[in-house]
Amino acid sequence: KAGVTQTPRYLIKTRGQQVTLSCSPISGHRSVSWYQQTPGQGLQFLFEYFSETQRNKGNFPGRFSGRQFSNSRSEMNVSTLELGDSALYLCASSLALVPNTEAFFGQGTRLTVV
Amino acid sequence: AQSVTQLGSHVSVSEGALVLLRCNYSSSVPPYLFWYVQYPNQGLQLLLKYTTGATLVKGINGFEAEFKKSETSFHLTKPSAHMSDAAEYFCAVSGGNNDMRFGAGTRLTVKP
Repeated sequence: KAGVTQTPRYLIKTRGQQVTLSCSPISGHRSVSWYQQTPGQGLQFLFEYFSETQRNKGNFPGRFSGRQFSNSRSEMNVSTLELGDSALYLCASSLALVPNTEAFFGQGTRLTVV
Repeated sequence: AQSVTQLGSHVSVSEGALVLLRCNYSSSVPPYLFWYVQYPNQGLQLLLKYTTGATLVKGINGFEAEFKKSETSFHLTKPSAHMSDAAEYFCAVSGGNNDMRFGAGTRLTVKP
């Protein structure tokens, strides 16, 4: 069965622009989480969606938003990009919204803000 | 709230030597603990997880970890390192809110 698919893999944007990243979870998985990975901050939790509802949110400014569609696909949007938003953005899907469920990660979208 | 601390951002071992990657956690509820591995330009792959029950957990690729509640630790070990083990390893904790928190990661280098 297909894994978690993130598109695009690489993206270059200019400061002040906005960007939308896409994540298609494993078929049947209803929970999608997003993480930001940077060399300085490591892996930081952005938000989690389950059945089209945001269930958890990390400590990021309102410029970071997301949504989940009825087919469980998820998008995250970053508005008014800053240089510090350059990072690898990882999406993970899991079968259910329980703490001991394994999360399956996509390969990530590497965003560079110039 | 929960958090993890990984001791040592970089560990270097010789091929065939013991691998020990340290992880300590903090959690106000019984924790679920995970180890993930990340190869360059890849996402994270689950190595093993502790939920309840047996405190010694065996994972893929010969790795195992032991949950020690008294020490709030979940260290990852492998008896004999292979060159293919070179990667970044992340310890993670999940609690009642289902928001998984990751450690800063430990980069493992394996010398021939």
